[in-house]
Amino acid sequence: DQQVKQNSPSLSVQEGRISILNCDYTNSMFDYFLWYKKYPAEGPTFLISISSIKDKNEDGRFTVFLNKSAKHLSLHIVPSQPGDSAVYFCAASVEGDDMRFGAGTRLTVKP
Amino acid sequence: KAGVTQTPRYLIKTRGQQVTLSCSPISGHRSVSWYQQTPGQGLQFLFEYFSETQRNKGNFPGRFSGRQFSNSRSEMNVSTLELGDSALYLCASSPMTGTGELFFGEGSRLTVL
Repeated sequence: DQQVKQNSPSLSVQEGRISILNCDYTNSMFDYFLWYKKYPAEGPTFLISISSIKDKNEDGRFTVFLNKSAKHLSLHIVPSQPGDSAVYFCAASVEGDDMRFGAGTRLTVKP
Repeated sequence: KAGVTQTPRYLIKTRGQQVTLSCSPISGHRSVSWYQQTPGQGLQFLFEYFSETQRNKGNFPGRFSGRQFSNSRSEMNVSTLELGDSALYLCASSPMTGTGELFFGEGSRLTVL
């Protein structure tokens, strides 16, 4: 049951430009959303989160936007850096429980 | 503070065998979750344990099982291995259940021949 979908398996961006990663979900009960980043041979690491009572959360170069009516969230990285190249997973949960992940988007930032 | 430790990191098995993977959570973390990662499928939720009790279970067959010990360490077992079980198995811990943010280990890469 793919309740969380990342429809773009890969994204390539030039260094310094904006990276936009998208995520859609189907379960309207989800109320907490997170983004994780994964480098090869490492486990995913938490990047940024947002609760359903907000529509935007910002942390440095990373901003997550939530559109509840469209059941859509996005991660913006500005400016993108080569070190941002990784696989990004979107995740959603109900009150922090039973977290569901998307299939991931591989971001490549070219120097 | 040591991170989440998973053993073994790599293993090769043949069809029909069984395998046990181990996870030591971050000290003080009482919740442990397991995920299967395969190409194109992302992270599929297997189960979550908290205080030695299974709280949630994903949509996997009964061949996949797990347990948690009193020291919060967890094991997962896959019996009668199939080729499709080849994957990276990730363990994640968190201080309490329902807190959202997970801390992942590096995973155990299982190859079934």
